[in-house]
Amino acid sequence: DGGITQSPKYLFRKEGQNVTLSCEQNLNHDAMYWYRQDPGQGLRLIYYSQIVNDFQKGDIAEGYSVSREKKESFPLTVTSAQKNPTAFYLCASSISSGQETQYFGPGTRLLVL
Amino acid sequence: AQSVTQPDIHITVSEGASLELRCNYSYGATPYLFWYVQSPGQGLQLLLKYFSGDTLVQGIKGFEAEFKRSQSSFNLRKPSVHWSDAAEYFCAFYSGGYQKVTFGTGTKLQVIP
Repeated sequence: DGGITQSPKYLFRKEGQNVTLSCEQNLNHDAMYWYRQDPGQGLRLIYYSQIVNDFQKGDIAEGYSVSREKKESFPLTVTSAQKNPTAFYLCASSISSGQETQYFGPGTRLLVL
Repeated sequence: AQSVTQPDIHITVSEGASLELRCNYSYGATPYLFWYVQSPGQGLQLLLKYFSGDTLVQGIKGFEAEFKRSQSSFNLRKPSVHWSDAAEYFCAFYSGGYQKVTFGTGTKLQVIP
């Protein structure tokens, strides 16, 4: 079955630690996205990638980094510079960045110890 | 500025009652509009979308939405709600090209027996 997988489902971060959230898709989509979801704020775009080896900052990129070395994979690193990382993180993909329908993974909940 | 608004943060309906969730957008032309649903702790699933043509759009799970240009609205409706419809619903807006998709802040639906 085609789809998007995110791992882990829950992730715990210690102070000063970098953590990486995995996102993999087998939909053959060119574009991938990372969103942060906080209660009452909807989805906010962190980073997006239109094609392999290319990515752009979204609305709230500070404290986060990404890479896009393979079409299928778009990992997100939450760095120690992100002072309030506790949130639900959603990865999505679309056929291309000009294609509006996005398909979402199940999400990763990040908690700070 | 382009935006999408969901005026209702939380709605409670009785099982079997009809449902209407409101979505308003601000944009000078006709945008692409979507409704997504999110069950607790899960990713988002596309319910339906409007690009052009017939202003009444049918979606999955018995949902429909009507685009009204004069009211800048794209309200989601269901004639008879089931307990399994309890979830959070997001309206989203896309203006085309390489613009990002903008999500509303969501409406949480509670269904009481």
